[in-house]
Amino acid sequence: DSGVTQTPKHLITATGQRVTLRCSPRSGDLSVYWYQQSLDQGLQFLIQYYNGEERAKGNILERFSAQQFPDLHSELNLSSLELGDSALYFCASSVGSPANEKLFFGSGTQLSVL
Amino acid sequence: GDSVTQMEGPVTLSEEAFLTINCTYTATGYPSLFWYVQYPGEGLQLLLKATKADDKGSNKGFEATYRKETTSFHLEKGSVQVSDSAVYFCALTGRDYKLSFGAGTTVTVRA
Repeated sequence: DSGVTQTPKHLITATGQRVTLRCSPRSGDLSVYWYQQSLDQGLQFLIQYYNGEERAKGNILERFSAQQFPDLHSELNLSSLELGDSALYFCASSVGSPANEKLFFGSGTQLSVL
Repeated sequence: GDSVTQMEGPVTLSEEAFLTINCTYTATGYPSLFWYVQYPGEGLQLLLKATKADDKGSNKGFEATYRKETTSFHLEKGSVQVSDSAVYFCALTGRDYKLSFGAGTTVTVRA
């Protein structure tokens, strides 16, 4: 158990809908990262928050947004969903920035857009 | 931007065989390098890391050496077990704070 909790584990929805994925980092970790894993794109970095502020941005679509709350949990919002958004979304956390730190990954949320 | 390229799989081996997964990187400055492993149905776990040139990371019988001259961080294990069947990801972090992963290499070890 990594200590990172992601909910829900599975999500099935329809095109055009909006969903929210939730992540609780390990106790004491200030950084939260979101990754998207799909068969064709591999593991893609989406965004990182550190202590409530956006720290780094990757290949995140404009239809997606995220935030980190004062209690350090994070939510990833996906809107106007398309079939291609179907993927496994991972959250990870670390104490600080990732330059030489270990990231702890949650088990992921499997999103299926039908 | 910074990136890693790792050998494509899948790789299928017999137990006790030698495993090598090649990884090369492109980065400005001196990135930190990692190998993560993903077992079936689980999230990624850090396997080993190296933060400067000539460092050797090791864990669970796996080793990788940070080679600045060849910009490489190849993963090796001398004698694999069935339990080593997983997807292995090479990754780096550079000055942009992003942890970037390679495409992943699926390894299957047969008894």
